[in-house]
Amino acid sequence: DAGVIQSPRHEVTEMGQEVTLRCKPISGHNSLFWYRQTMMRGLELLIYFNNNVPIDDSGMPEDRFSAKMPNASFSTLKIQPSEPRDSAVYFCASSFGTGLEEKLFFGSGTQLSVL
Amino acid sequence: AQRVTQPEKLLSVFKGAPVELKCNYSYSGSPELFWYVQYSRQRLQLLLRHISRESIKGFTADLNKGETSFHLKKPFAQEEDSAMYYCALLYSGAGSYQLTFGKGTKLSVIP
Repeated sequence: DAGVIQSPRHEVTEMGQEVTLRCKPISGHNSLFWYRQTMMRGLELLIYFNNNVPIDDSGMPEDRFSAKMPNASFSTLKIQPSEPRDSAVYFCASSFGTGLEEKLFFGSGTQLSVL
Repeated sequence: AQRVTQPEKLLSVFKGAPVELKCNYSYSGSPELFWYVQYSRQRLQLLLRHISRESIKGFTADLNKGETSFHLKKPFAQEEDSAMYYCALLYSGAGSYQLTFGKGTKLSVIP
């Protein structure tokens, strides 16, 4: 398996533009997580899905952020409109299971720069 | 509330010196704790988990419930250990679960 695949690897955009980050979880995994990494806050959980259903989106910073998981093999994180303070590395991760034995598998991340 | 604290943002040690990356957690239940590592230009990856009681790349971490700590240790640091290290707490409740990370500690091993 190729692991968790994220695209793009790098995204540079201007303030006010819409940004869409994509994630393909590992086949067979039923949980998917979106994280944001910044120097100030470290790694923050934004939202996670279980069986394609959003379970906890309390980490989503504002209404400008939205995430979807239309099927088990694809998820998007959208920022509209983007702002410079959204600049960060966004990680997607997936896992399988419902207990405490899960291991999280992370993608390589998307480096987002909003100018 | 569940919380993970890594008090040091940056830790610099000389090659061959012992390393201890501190992690404290706050959780009323039975914790499941992990250490993740991110090397430069690589993805975040799991280093070790307390339930396995394993040693990976010379690193060990012991869960101390009395002190609510899960410090990461290595007796002799190597240059290739330079990376960002994140302590994480997995907890479950009401049928769902969540992984909470500390803010991370950047380990710099000086040759």
